[in-house]
Amino acid sequence: EIVLTQSPATLSLSPGERATLSCRASQSVSSNLAWYQQKPGQAPRLLIYDASNRATGIPARFSGSGSGADFTLTISSLEPEDFAVYYCQQRSNWPPEYTFGQGTKLEIK
Amino acid sequence: EVHLLESGGGLVQPGGSLRLSCAASGFTFSNYAMSWVRQAPGKGLEWVSVIGGSGTTYYADSLKGRFTISRDNSKNTLYLQMNSLRAEDTAVYYCAKANPTAGGFDSWGQGTLVTVSS
Repeated sequence: EIVLTQSPATLSLSPGERATLSCRASQSVSSNLAWYQQKPGQAPRLLIYDASNRATGIPARFSGSGSGADFTLTISSLEPEDFAVYYCQQRSNWPPEYTFGQGTKLEIK
Repeated sequence: EVHLLESGGGLVQPGGSLRLSCAASGFTFSNYAMSWVRQAPGKGLEWVSVIGGSGTTYYADSLKGRFTISRDNSKNTLYLQMNSLRAEDTAVYYCAKANPTAGGFDSWGQGTLVTVSS
Protein backbone atom coordinates (compact mmCIF):
# COMPACT_ATOMS: atom_id res chain seq x y z
CA GLU A 1 0.00 0.00 0.00
CA ILE A 2 1.30 3.41 -0.96
CA VAL A 3 1.47 5.91 1.90
CA LEU A 4 1.29 9.65 1.29
CA THR A 5 2.93 11.94 3.85
CA GLN A 6 2.04 15.63 3.80
CA SER A 7 4.08 18.40 5.37
CA PRO A 8 3.82 20.54 7.26
CA ALA A 9 0.78 19.46 9.28
CA THR A 10 -0.09 23.13 9.84
CA LEU A 11 1.08 26.16 7.90
CA SER A 12 0.50 29.66 9.30
CA LEU A 13 0.70 32.45 6.74
CA SER A 14 -0.80 35.83 5.99
CA PRO A 15 -2.91 36.87 2.99
CA GLY A 16 -0.69 37.81 0.09
CA GLU A 17 2.06 35.38 1.07
CA ARG A 18 3.14 32.34 -0.92
CA ALA A 19 2.19 28.89 0.36
CA THR A 20 4.16 25.74 -0.41
CA LEU A 21 2.66 22.39 0.61
CA SER A 22 4.47 19.09 0.23
CA CYS A 23 3.28 15.54 -0.42
CA ARG A 24 5.69 12.61 -0.43
CA ALA A 25 4.77 9.09 -1.55
CA SER A 26 6.30 5.91 -0.10
CA GLN A 27 7.00 4.78 -3.67
CA SER A 28 6.70 6.26 -7.11
CA VAL A 29 3.17 7.17 -8.23
CA SER A 30 4.35 8.59 -11.55
CA SER A 31 2.11 11.64 -12.08
CA ASN A 32 -1.04 10.04 -10.62
CA LEU A 33 -1.48 12.66 -7.93
CA ALA A 34 -4.32 15.05 -7.15
CA TRP A 35 -4.79 17.88 -4.67
CA TYR A 36 -8.02 18.89 -2.91
CA GLN A 37 -9.14 21.80 -0.79
CA GLN A 38 -11.66 21.29 2.01
CA LYS A 39 -13.31 24.00 4.06
CA PRO A 40 -15.18 23.28 7.32
CA GLY A 41 -18.54 21.65 6.74
CA GLN A 42 -17.94 21.28 3.02
CA ALA A 43 -17.03 18.49 0.67
CA PRO A 44 -13.52 18.42 -0.80
CA ARG A 45 -12.94 20.28 -4.05
CA LEU A 46 -10.54 19.04 -6.72
CA LEU A 47 -7.80 21.60 -7.39
CA ILE A 48 -5.09 19.75 -9.30
CA TYR A 49 -5.04 16.41 -11.15
CA ASP A 50 -2.20 14.50 -12.79
CA ALA A 51 0.20 16.41 -10.53
CA SER A 52 0.12 19.69 -12.43
CA ASN A 53 -3.21 20.22 -14.22
CA ARG A 54 -5.67 22.69 -12.74
CA ALA A 55 -9.24 21.45 -12.51
CA THR A 56 -12.04 23.40 -14.13
CA GLY A 57 -12.61 26.79 -12.53
CA ILE A 58 -9.52 26.72 -10.30
CA PRO A 59 -7.69 30.06 -10.15
CA ALA A 60 -4.25 30.36 -11.68
CA ARG A 61 -2.66 31.14 -8.29
CA PHE A 62 -2.91 27.38 -7.57
CA SER A 63 -0.21 25.26 -9.19
CA GLY A 64 1.05 21.73 -8.77
CA SER A 65 4.41 20.24 -9.57
CA GLY A 66 6.43 17.07 -9.13
CA SER A 67 6.51 13.49 -10.31
CA GLY A 68 7.58 10.14 -8.97
CA ALA A 69 7.40 10.44 -5.18
CA ASP A 70 7.69 14.17 -4.40
CA PHE A 71 4.98 16.68 -5.11
CA THR A 72 4.24 20.30 -4.28
CA LEU A 73 1.13 22.45 -4.24
CA THR A 74 1.89 26.15 -4.48
CA ILE A 75 -0.50 29.02 -3.88
CA SER A 76 1.28 32.04 -5.27
CA SER A 77 -0.49 34.77 -3.30
CA LEU A 78 -2.93 33.75 -0.60
CA GLU A 79 -6.47 35.05 -0.68
CA PRO A 80 -8.65 34.99 2.48
CA GLU A 81 -10.76 32.17 1.00
CA ASP A 82 -7.69 29.94 0.57
CA PHE A 83 -7.36 29.15 4.26
CA ALA A 84 -8.53 25.56 4.51
CA VAL A 85 -7.27 21.99 4.74
CA TYR A 86 -5.47 20.57 1.71
CA TYR A 87 -5.17 16.87 0.87
CA CYS A 88 -3.09 15.05 -1.71
CA GLN A 89 -4.36 11.78 -3.19
CA GLN A 90 -2.94 9.10 -5.45
CA ARG A 91 -4.45 6.27 -7.47
CA SER A 92 -2.62 3.02 -8.04
CA ASN A 93 -2.88 1.74 -11.59
CA TRP A 94 -3.62 -1.85 -10.65
CA PRO A 95 -5.61 -2.66 -8.74
CA PRO A 96 -7.21 0.77 -8.81
CA GLU A 97 -6.91 1.84 -5.21
CA TYR A 98 -6.81 5.36 -3.85
CA THR A 99 -4.87 6.83 -0.95
CA PHE A 100 -5.12 10.25 0.69
CA GLY A 101 -2.48 12.10 2.63
CA GLN A 102 -3.29 13.14 6.19
CA GLY A 103 -3.81 16.77 5.20
CA THR A 104 -2.17 20.15 5.73
CA LYS A 105 -4.12 22.84 7.54
CA LEU A 106 -3.42 26.28 6.10
CA GLU A 107 -4.32 28.85 8.74
CA ILE A 108 -4.23 32.61 8.97
CA LYS A 109 -1.23 33.95 10.86
CA GLU B 1 -23.99 20.80 -13.92
CA VAL B 2 -23.01 17.67 -12.02
CA HIS B 3 -25.05 17.05 -8.91
CA LEU B 4 -24.56 14.25 -6.39
CA LEU B 5 -26.94 13.80 -3.50
CA GLU B 6 -26.28 11.24 -0.77
CA SER B 7 -28.93 9.84 1.54
CA GLY B 8 -29.48 7.00 3.95
CA GLY B 9 -27.20 8.01 6.80
CA GLY B 10 -28.26 7.95 10.42
CA LEU B 11 -27.77 6.32 13.79
CA VAL B 12 -27.22 2.57 13.83
CA GLN B 13 -26.20 0.18 16.59
CA PRO B 14 -22.91 -1.70 16.48
CA GLY B 15 -23.33 -4.83 14.37
CA GLY B 16 -26.14 -3.27 12.39
CA SER B 17 -26.49 -2.52 8.69
CA LEU B 18 -27.20 0.54 6.61
CA ARG B 19 -27.52 1.27 2.90
CA LEU B 20 -26.42 4.60 1.53
CA SER B 21 -27.61 5.99 -1.79
CA CYS B 22 -26.21 8.66 -4.07
CA ALA B 23 -28.47 10.14 -6.74
CA ALA B 24 -26.53 11.54 -9.68
CA SER B 25 -27.54 14.05 -12.32
CA GLY B 26 -25.97 16.37 -14.88
CA PHE B 27 -23.81 13.76 -16.62
CA THR B 28 -24.08 10.36 -18.31
CA PHE B 29 -23.86 8.28 -15.13
CA SER B 30 -23.10 4.94 -16.77
CA ASN B 31 -19.97 6.32 -18.42
CA TYR B 32 -18.14 7.12 -15.18
CA ALA B 33 -16.57 5.24 -12.32
CA MET B 34 -17.98 6.29 -8.96
CA SER B 35 -16.52 6.06 -5.51
CA TRP B 36 -17.30 6.36 -1.81
CA VAL B 37 -14.94 8.31 0.44
CA ARG B 38 -15.47 8.75 4.16
CA GLN B 39 -14.28 11.16 6.83
CA ALA B 40 -14.45 10.41 10.54
CA PRO B 41 -15.21 13.41 12.77
CA GLY B 42 -12.21 15.72 12.89
CA LYS B 43 -10.12 13.33 10.77
CA GLY B 44 -8.84 13.10 7.21
CA LEU B 45 -10.28 11.54 4.09
CA GLU B 46 -10.35 7.76 3.63
CA TRP B 47 -11.15 6.06 0.35
CA VAL B 48 -13.73 3.27 0.74
CA SER B 49 -14.57 1.75 -2.65
CA VAL B 50 -14.89 2.37 -6.38
CA ILE B 51 -17.14 0.89 -9.05
CA GLY B 52 -16.59 1.12 -12.78
CA GLY B 53 -19.30 2.07 -15.22
CA SER B 54 -19.95 -1.57 -16.05
CA GLY B 55 -19.88 -2.71 -12.42
CA THR B 56 -16.32 -3.81 -11.62
CA THR B 57 -15.65 -3.14 -7.96
CA TYR B 58 -12.64 -2.48 -5.74
CA TYR B 59 -12.38 -1.88 -2.02
CA ALA B 60 -10.00 -0.57 0.58
CA ASP B 61 -8.34 -3.63 2.14
CA SER B 62 -9.57 -2.73 5.63
CA LEU B 63 -13.22 -2.83 4.51
CA LYS B 64 -13.37 -5.87 2.27
CA GLY B 65 -16.14 -8.25 3.20
CA ARG B 66 -18.28 -5.79 5.19
CA PHE B 67 -19.10 -3.13 2.59
CA THR B 68 -20.56 -3.65 -0.88
CA ILE B 69 -20.69 -0.99 -3.56
CA SER B 70 -23.19 -1.22 -6.39
CA ARG B 71 -24.93 0.97 -8.95
CA ASP B 72 -28.16 1.10 -10.91
CA ASN B 73 -27.41 2.88 -14.16
CA SER B 74 -31.13 2.97 -15.06
CA LYS B 75 -31.76 5.04 -11.92
CA ASN B 76 -28.50 7.03 -12.00
CA THR B 77 -27.88 5.89 -8.44
CA LEU B 78 -24.86 4.63 -6.53
CA TYR B 79 -25.18 2.52 -3.40
CA LEU B 80 -23.09 1.40 -0.44
CA GLN B 81 -24.35 -1.51 1.63
CA MET B 82 -22.62 -1.48 5.00
CA ASN B 83 -22.86 -4.54 7.28
CA SER B 84 -21.42 -5.45 10.68
CA LEU B 85 -20.95 -1.79 11.46
CA ARG B 86 -18.47 -0.72 14.13
CA ALA B 87 -17.98 2.47 16.09
CA GLU B 88 -14.96 3.27 13.93
CA ASP B 89 -17.21 3.37 10.85
CA THR B 90 -18.74 6.57 12.21
CA ALA B 91 -18.06 9.18 9.54
CA VAL B 92 -19.46 11.43 6.86
CA TYR B 93 -19.71 9.37 3.70
CA TYR B 94 -19.24 11.17 0.40
CA CYS B 95 -19.95 9.88 -3.06
CA ALA B 96 -17.59 11.15 -5.72
CA LYS B 97 -17.36 11.01 -9.51
CA ALA B 98 -14.05 9.79 -10.87
CA ASN B 99 -12.22 11.85 -13.44
CA PRO B 100 -12.08 9.51 -16.43
CA THR B 101 -8.67 10.58 -17.71
CA ALA B 102 -6.89 11.13 -14.42
CA GLY B 103 -6.81 9.74 -10.92
CA GLY B 104 -8.85 12.33 -9.10
CA PHE B 105 -12.48 12.84 -8.13
CA ASP B 106 -13.86 15.88 -9.92
CA SER B 107 -17.28 16.10 -8.29
CA TRP B 108 -18.46 15.32 -4.76
CA GLY B 109 -21.76 15.15 -2.95
CA GLN B 110 -22.38 17.02 0.30
CA GLY B 111 -22.05 13.83 2.34
CA THR B 112 -24.28 11.84 4.68
CA LEU B 113 -23.42 11.19 8.32
CA VAL B 114 -23.35 7.65 9.66
CA THR B 115 -23.14 7.27 13.43
CA VAL B 116 -22.55 3.83 14.91
CA SER B 117 -23.38 3.86 18.59
CA SER B 118 -25.45 2.03 21.16
